[in-house]
Amino acid sequence: QLVLTQSPSASASLGASVKLTCTLSSGHSSYAIAWHQQQAEKGPRYLMILYSDGSHTKGDEIPDRFAGSSSGTERYLTISSLQSEDEADYYCHTWDTGIRVFGGGTKLTVL
Amino acid sequence: QVQLVESGGGLVKPGGSLRLSCTASRFTFTDYYMTWIRQVPGKGLEWVSYISRGATSTYYADSVRGRFTISRDNARSSVHLLMNSLRAEDTAVYYCARETCSGGNCRIDLWGRGTLVTVSS
Repeated sequence: QLVLTQSPSASASLGASVKLTCTLSSGHSSYAIAWHQQQAEKGPRYLMILYSDGSHTKGDEIPDRFAGSSSGTERYLTISSLQSEDEADYYCHTWDTGIRVFGGGTKLTVL
Repeated sequence: QVQLVESGGGLVKPGGSLRLSCTASRFTFTDYYMTWIRQVPGKGLEWVSYISRGATSTYYADSVRGRFTISRDNARSSVHLLMNSLRAEDTAVYYCARETCSGGNCRIDLWGRGTLVTVSS
């Protein structure tokens, strides 16, 4: 069964870096995912597609501070030089024929 | 600008029906799959349904299969979600989203702002 697992919360200081993790279920290590950001009271925004080899393609106007990487069934989103507007929920998302799956989301607090 | 705008949300009684619409602007609608996702306020995202470019394939989450129907009108650059037999647990913000599909990968790369559906007596 295709499942994505995320930690419910993370925090980091203004100007620091943070690495969020999304874990694919066993047997799905070749799957790509996408990362989405949802700020408070707003709809989600696409950040990037992230492949199993760590390559990624970002959406329009997504700052260079956002980067993706991969290792096995883990997919990472690293945000550098944290700004206050990065405080948001971050969701990973994947797909297969006939199904789309979201992780439970990670709430990022910028201290 | 490139955007998706949902409409049709509102208050409906349990057992009732509602039809959501989503209109696309400033991109070639027929190049993309379209999908609906919902979010209970304060909770995470839940995929609901998606439809292929030519509407030849449609898929549904187990929670809505048999009650919801997705369709699209490529001439009008719109996608719809007909929701029947609504339940309290269908209460959520419903988002329309565009999927770019290539080489077996279908990521959402554009979201609408959402429309709220409330199922309550």
